[in-house]
Amino acid sequence: EADIYQTPRYLVIGTGKKITLECSQTMGHDKMYWYQQDPGMELHLIHYSYGVNSTEKGDLSSESTVSRIRTEHFPLTLESARPSHTSQYLCASSAGGSSSDTQYFGPGTRLTVL
Amino acid sequence: KNQVEQSPQSLIILEGKNCTLQCNYTVSPFSNLRWYKQDTGRGPVSLTIMTFSENTKSNGRYTATLDADTKQSSLHITASQLSDSASYICVVSDRGSTLGRLYFGRGTQLTVWP
Repeated sequence: EADIYQTPRYLVIGTGKKITLECSQTMGHDKMYWYQQDPGMELHLIHYSYGVNSTEKGDLSSESTVSRIRTEHFPLTLESARPSHTSQYLCASSAGGSSSDTQYFGPGTRLTVL
Repeated sequence: KNQVEQSPQSLIILEGKNCTLQCNYTVSPFSNLRWYKQDTGRGPVSLTIMTFSENTKSNGRYTATLDADTKQSSLHITASQLSDSASYICVVSDRGSTLGRLYFGRGTQLTVWP
């Protein structure tokens, strides 16, 4: 079992609210990632980080933002949630950033915006 | 365009039976291929990883095969158990980027009935 945690596991909120999805890992991994996954669809990379103070946008355009102030913590923020943001958000980390490094996933946050 | 296609989309089998899941990819240049298991409401967990030179990799009752020439992989599950019910995701990495870009399939939803 990977030591990567996400909170909350489920979140139902109204349109226009600001939310932060938390992700933390205790493996000392430098690389962290956020993915978005809709039911029956593939995972899409929305943000990644090579280390502290490093963040980059992924392949899928997202209105969310991320920060990496500490190695173990990689929160994702939505300033004004909309129904189109309803999805599952998965956080992952890896020891390195090469293709041979396994990404370890957290349990995910299921977000529903009404 | 780099893609990963999985079949079947869903599969129902009886407990104790074997099954094989398929993955075709067009990712190039190829680095490695992973099979992940994703339980409902959880993050994906890596089952196997294979590089270009590997044809077969086993992990307990799970056996993955890779044909790099035809760009096909399969995951064979032997003597299925109820706990095997999950989505099985094929993930292919390229070696053309420093990030270790991952390409995800949409998964095969396996249901094992008693």
